[in-house]
Amino acid sequence: EPEVTQTPSHQVTQMGQEVILRCVPISNHLYFYWYRQILGQKVEFLVSFYNNEISEKSEIFDDQFSVERPDGSNFTLKIRSTKLEDSAMYFCASRPGGIYNEQFFGPGTRLTVL
Amino acid sequence: GNSVTQMEGPVTLSEEAFLTINCTYTATGYPSLFWYVQYPGEGLQLLLKATKADDKGSNKGFEATYRKETTSFHLEKGSVQVSDSAVYFCALIKYSGAGSYQLTFGKGTKLSVIP
Repeated sequence: EPEVTQTPSHQVTQMGQEVILRCVPISNHLYFYWYRQILGQKVEFLVSFYNNEISEKSEIFDDQFSVERPDGSNFTLKIRSTKLEDSAMYFCASRPGGIYNEQFFGPGTRLTVL
Repeated sequence: GNSVTQMEGPVTLSEEAFLTINCTYTATGYPSLFWYVQYPGEGLQLLLKATKADDKGSNKGFEATYRKETTSFHLEKGSVQVSDSAVYFCALIKYSGAGSYQLTFGKGTKLSVIP
């Protein structure tokens, strides 16, 4: 069964460093998402992406965040200058087009900022 | 705006006990409702869903009925197993234009089932 994959599973970085989290969505899906979950808190929407552009973003998704689909398979989340409060689990999700609105989630990348 | 409220956990049950996890929502229009499950060390998996009022979603012995009059989507299972130990998230879909369906999650309820 096709699934969303994410790499790395765990990323440790120093405050102020740039990180890139990678996702490979399901191949025929058209809509892509990033969510994050700070430890012990709810899962929060960050951004949605369709047709090579951001379709919606939350207040959390400020100028230090960016997303890209550099080729036909990868979907990346970049954090330019990490802060301690960026430590969280980051989930990628993808969805087919049309009215079928179920989102399929990857296993997540745990980001730890020291 | 849209929001989801779940009962606080953690919930600890003995095997074969009856499970209810309450979920209520606030939303404009007619959202679709979901339960996602997160097993230890894993990502989010869709457990069940309901797309309109009075729909019942079911999967793996779990059920939830979309109640518009009470804006609720409570999760139930008649007899839990140790393997059901996980965190359960109630969520709704908000359509945000340009095909963007943004999920709004509750805080999650951790369930531990003991033998």
